[in-house]
Amino acid sequence: DQQVKQNSPSLSVQEGRISILNCDYTNSMFDYFLWYKKYPAEGPTFLISISSIKDKNEDGRFTVFLNKSAKHLSLHIVPSQPGDSAVYFCAASSTQGAQKLVFGQGTRLTINP
Amino acid sequence: NAGVMQNPRHLVRRRGQEARLRCSPMKGHSHVYWYRQLPEEGLKFMVYLQKENIIDESGMPKERFSAEFPKEGPSILRIQQVVRGDSAAYFCASSPFQGGLSNEKLFFGSGTQLSVL
Repeated sequence: DQQVKQNSPSLSVQEGRISILNCDYTNSMFDYFLWYKKYPAEGPTFLISISSIKDKNEDGRFTVFLNKSAKHLSLHIVPSQPGDSAVYFCAASSTQGAQKLVFGQGTRLTINP
Repeated sequence: NAGVMQNPRHLVRRRGQEARLRCSPMKGHSHVYWYRQLPEEGLKFMVYLQKENIIDESGMPKERFSAEFPKEGPSILRIQQVVRGDSAAYFCASSPFQGGLSNEKLFFGSGTQLSVL
């Protein structure tokens, strides 16, 4: 039962363009969503988050959009840089089970020069 | 300011042996989480511990797996009688807070890659 899904295993984007990573969830109890970035041989590092009371959160080049009715969120990176090449994980949690993050399968983003 | 330290980085075991994975949280963090990542999958929650207490082990297999976080020393994830299906990357994370909106305060270690032959 995959409650958080990232349907694109990989994405290739040209440097300077916008990268859009998508994530869908099925559990209506989720009310907090996060994106993590992971380089090879390292642990995930927190990137950006959004609460269900918002539909957008922005931090520099990174913006997360949340569409609660569609149970969909997306991460926009603009402009994309070579250092953004990594695996990106979408994660979700609920207030009741806040210590459990439910992760998607990840999307491998490659930024081409 | 050292981050979350996990050792060993790589662990090779034969079927039936025991695996012990260690995690030292960041200084000042008293909450530890273990996650497992199988090949081509996302991280899956296993267990959440505070010092000397298991708070939530709902993601832990009922048999062969155990975890502890003693008053002194690192947190230990122990897998007895390992099988090939246990081969995975095991990540530890620590936090100064108890879940909630502070989930972004989860700091992950670099993981232990367990290979069962």
